[in-house]
Amino acid sequence: QVQLVESGGGLVKSGESLSLSCTTSGFSFSDYYMIWIRQVPGKGLEFVSSISSRGTTKYYAESVEGRFTTSRDNARKSLFLQMNSLRAEDTAIYYCARSYGSSWYNPIRYWGQGTLVTVSS
Amino acid sequence: DIQMTQSPSSLSASVGDRVTITCRASQGISNSLAWYQQEPGRAPKVLLYSTSILESGVPSRFSGSGSGTDYALTISSLQPEDFATYYCQQYYTITPTFGQGTKLEIK
Repeated sequence: QVQLVESGGGLVKSGESLSLSCTTSGFSFSDYYMIWIRQVPGKGLEFVSSISSRGTTKYYAESVEGRFTTSRDNARKSLFLQMNSLRAEDTAIYYCARSYGSSWYNPIRYWGQGTLVTVSS
Repeated sequence: DIQMTQSPSSLSASVGDRVTITCRASQGISNSLAWYQQEPGRAPKVLLYSTSILESGVPSRFSGSGSGTDYALTISSLQPEDFATYYCQQYYTITPTFGQGTKLEIK
């Protein structure tokens, strides 16, 4: 079955960097665009970034543009999120997600379990 | 970005009740609307997409309706496992946006 497993979360200080990974299995990873969604504990869901199936096109939320970089390795069936210049407001659970279809305009069908990033000021 | 406004933000109901949660988009989204359920400490789970298509395995007591800018999720007869937080999401645009959530609590 489809599995998405995030890793790399932790406690860092404001201004530092952190790299998240999402390892996947159970589907043809290279056929799907992938998404990062975050959630401040106890709060709502926020789109962070998405990346096309080949990794050539990427989108970012305004709040992370220029600081976060999404990438993927289709051979390793893995998704990555490099987070630089972290701020206290980046503290959240970060979810890796996959849509229903291979095109951009699709709802999310599968979610990872999430990894918590805490940025102390 | 398209803003999604959900109401109510919280709702208290009893087992067996019929409840409706609404979601309004700041512009038309052509039925590109999904609903998710999130239990505490868990990742969200999709319930419906394309406004009214039920995800496989989701009980038929969940239904969706709407068009244009206004959408709704209805649970016909609440079960104990339905007490959770619900989110709507538009995927009409490249950068999807979510409603702020509706927490459904036991009365």
